This record gives sequence, C-alpha cells and structure tokens, in this order.
Amino acid sequence: DQQVKQNSPSLSVQEGRISILNCDYTNSMFDYFLWYKKYPAEGPTFLISISSIKDKNEDGRFTVFLNKSAKHLSLHIVPSQPGDSAVYFCAASVNAGKSTFGDGTTLTVKP
Amino acid sequence: NAGVMQNPRHLVRRRGQEARLRCSPMKGHSHVYWYRQLPEEGLKFMVYLQKENIIDESGMPKERFSAEFPKEGPSILRIQQVVRGDSAAYFCASSPSLAGGTSTDTQYFGPGTRLTVL
Repeated sequence: DQQVKQNSPSLSVQEGRISILNCDYTNSMFDYFLWYKKYPAEGPTFLISISSIKDKNEDGRFTVFLNKSAKHLSLHIVPSQPGDSAVYFCAASVNAGKSTFGDGTTLTVKP
Repeated sequence: NAGVMQNPRHLVRRRGQEARLRCSPMKGHSHVYWYRQLPEEGLKFMVYLQKENIIDESGMPKERFSAEFPKEGPSILRIQQVVRGDSAAYFCASSPSLAGGTSTDTQYFGPGTRLTVL
C-alpha cells in the first residue's frame, strides 16, 4: 500500500511557464510534507516543506500548497527555468520520524 | 560545514559477499536515516538511528541487513551474502536534534552509494 503517490511520472514545461507537480497521500497522520529535487547520480536536495497546520508555504519561485481534506499537495514553480529539470520527490512524515516518499516526477523544462 | 558524506560512492560485489556502506552525518547531527532506491522507484525507508540506538527499523529486511551508529565514527549499513536484488542506490540522510532530543522534520541527504551485485 503506497501511502504517498505521485501519479505523473513525467512533466514537460516551456521555460518561463508554470510547473505544477502533484502528490496525493493516504495516511491522515502525516503532519509534515517535503519536496526534494534530485539530479542523476546525486542525493535528493531539500527544496521546500510545509507543516500540516498550514495550507501554503512560499520560497522564491517555489510554492507548496496543502489541501488536507483532499489529502493532496502540489508544488508550483514560477517561472520555470531549464536548471529546474530534475526528478522531484514528494515526502511525508509523522512526528519527525522516517519520511515516506513518492516515486518521483521527472520535470523537463524546455528552453 | 561539510554535508552528509557517504562512501564508497560505487561498490561492486559478487553474490554471497558482504557489503559495508558508510555514512558520516553533517556536523552536529545525531539522527541518521538509511533509504534504498531501486531503479525507476522512489526512496524506501530502511532504518532510523540515533547514536548507539536503533529508533525504527521497520523498513529493514529481516535477514542479512543490519545497521549501526556507534558513539564514535560513521553509521554503517551492512549487507551480508548479497544477492542481485540488493543492487540499488543506498542513501543516508541526517537531521539535527531539537531541544528535547527529537529530530527535526527536514533530512539532509548524502550522494548515495550505488551497489552493484554481479
């Protein structure tokens, strides 16, 4: 039973446009959500996070939205840049324990 | 401040051999997590350790796998009698402690060790 799902394996966006990456979860106990970015042959790099007591967190070009009733979160990147091309992982945790990861979405930003 | 260090970056073993993967957390971090990533999949939690203690090993296979985080030195993930299905990227992450000793939510990852079993 996969508790964190990223249903789109890939996403292609034109440079300058908005990228929207989606993530769904099933465990209502999750209280913290994170997005990581990963380049080939490297470890995941923390991007942005949100606590379950909030519904939005913004950091520069990156905004994460949380809809608890729908058990859904999304990452918006505006404007998208070619350097944003990577695999993006959604993760969730309970009480600062282990993180449960989705399978990732490969974002390609075309110049 | 150096990031999370993992070595070796690449490890090749023949079936039946032992694999030892090392992880040095970021300076000041006392919580270590190990994850495994199989091809085309996300990261799967294996084990969570604090110094000298295993906090959560719910993701560890019951046999052949063990982990430790001694008082001094790096955390070690040990795989005995490796099989081809163990071929994967193994990532270590660390996090600092809050005032009460619990971990923060954000984990910082190392570059991973890519294990290939021939």
